[in-house]
Amino acid sequence: NAGVTQTPKFQVLKTGQSMTLQCAQDMNHEYMSWYRQDPGMGLRLIHYSVGAGITDQGEVPNGYNVSRSTTEDFPLRLLSAAPSQTSVYFCASSDIAGGRVETQYFGPGTRLLVL
Amino acid sequence: GENVEQHPSTLSVQEGDSAVIKCTYSDSASNYFPWYKQELGKGPQLIIDIRSNVGEKKDQRIAVTLNKTAKHFSLHITETQPEDSAVYFCAASSNDYKLSFGAGTTVTVRA
Repeated sequence: NAGVTQTPKFQVLKTGQSMTLQCAQDMNHEYMSWYRQDPGMGLRLIHYSVGAGITDQGEVPNGYNVSRSTTEDFPLRLLSAAPSQTSVYFCASSDIAGGRVETQYFGPGTRLLVL
Repeated sequence: GENVEQHPSTLSVQEGDSAVIKCTYSDSASNYFPWYKQELGKGPQLIIDIRSNVGEKKDQRIAVTLNKTAKHFSLHITETQPEDSAVYFCAASSNDYKLSFGAGTTVTVRA
């Protein structure tokens, strides 16, 4: 049971490049989410999904796209990278019970630097 | 949306002393309040959570209290140990699938 896995661990991009951050979980969780972590700002929700084929925006969705074609995978796409997207990105997953999110399990993170 | 404020941003305690971190939230509909611990280079990990139908919850050296009237909740760590050194985040959520985090508290336990 690997839990939540993220690839790559570290990435350097040039402004305007695109890339996909991968996230996978093997716990059969319905809920998956992406956060970015910046110094002094905690974790901010980018996008989330409550099941395959269902996604919704979080607090800071601009510049990012997501899709959820399977229960296991939830990739995050940067369409045209900007220096403001330099951050550490965390994927998380959890069960849903009674219409609310239960304990979230986080991946190890992807550190992204946009030059 | 929900706004969670967390204080202090840094906390240094002597080993064996207690540490207290406080958070306030803005949305009165919030009913789930987890606390996460993040060690260097790792993702956050849940250490304790509380729901709005209880006022206090304990798990060994860790306790969380909730005051819904005042909209604040706190994390208490007793008998601190060096392995308690980490960044701690509070969070709040209502029933809308969104978790809002505080800015974090860096706790350093001095030997």
